Amino acid sequence: KAGVTQTPRYLIKTRGQQVTLSCSPISGHRSVSWYQQTPGQGLQFLFEYFSETQRNKGNFPGRFSGRQFSNSRSEMNVSTLELGDSALYLCASTFGRGQETQYFGPGTRLLVL
Amino acid sequence: AQSVTQLDSHVSVSEGTPVLLRCNYSSSYSPSLFWYVQHPNKGLQLLLKYTSAATLVKGINGFEAEFKKSETSFHLTKPSAHMSDAAEYFCVVSESGTYKYIFGTGTRLKVLA
Repeated sequence: KAGVTQTPRYLIKTRGQQVTLSCSPISGHRSVSWYQQTPGQGLQFLFEYFSETQRNKGNFPGRFSGRQFSNSRSEMNVSTLELGDSALYLCASTFGRGQETQYFGPGTRLLVL
Repeated sequence: AQSVTQLDSHVSVSEGTPVLLRCNYSSSYSPSLFWYVQHPNKGLQLLLKYTSAATLVKGINGFEAEFKKSETSFHLTKPSAHMSDAAEYFCVVSESGTYKYIFGTGTRLKVLA
């Protein structure tokens, strides 16, 4: 079974631009979570989607948004990019919800100049 | 409220010597506990998971962890370190009913030749 895939793997943007990242979960998994990882802040939870609905949200500004499609694929969007948005963005999928094992993708490395 | 504390931000061991990475957790209800490993510029890979079936959990690559409720600990061990074990390790707790995963700040393991 294929693992979690994320595209693109690397991205360079400039301040003020917007970006969309994509995540395809393991086949059959219905929950997708997004995390931001930076050297200073570590791993921070962005949001979780299950059955096309946002179920949990972390403490990030409204510039960060996401959605999930009927095939469970998810996208996250960051508008008006700031230098501090440079990070590794990780996506994780689980079959259902509640204490299940999260399977992580390789991440998208975003650099904002 | 659930929380997790990784007691060491950096651990150095010599190749062939035992590894001990310490994790303490706080959880009001039946927690699930996880250890993940992250190699540079990679996503997180599951090492092992505790779900109350057995207090001693065996994972991949020779790692194991013991759940000690009285000490609220879930330390990760390996009898003999290998150079390929050099990576960052994350302890994660998920409390029943919360649908949330709380990550520790990570322990960077260095293996000396």
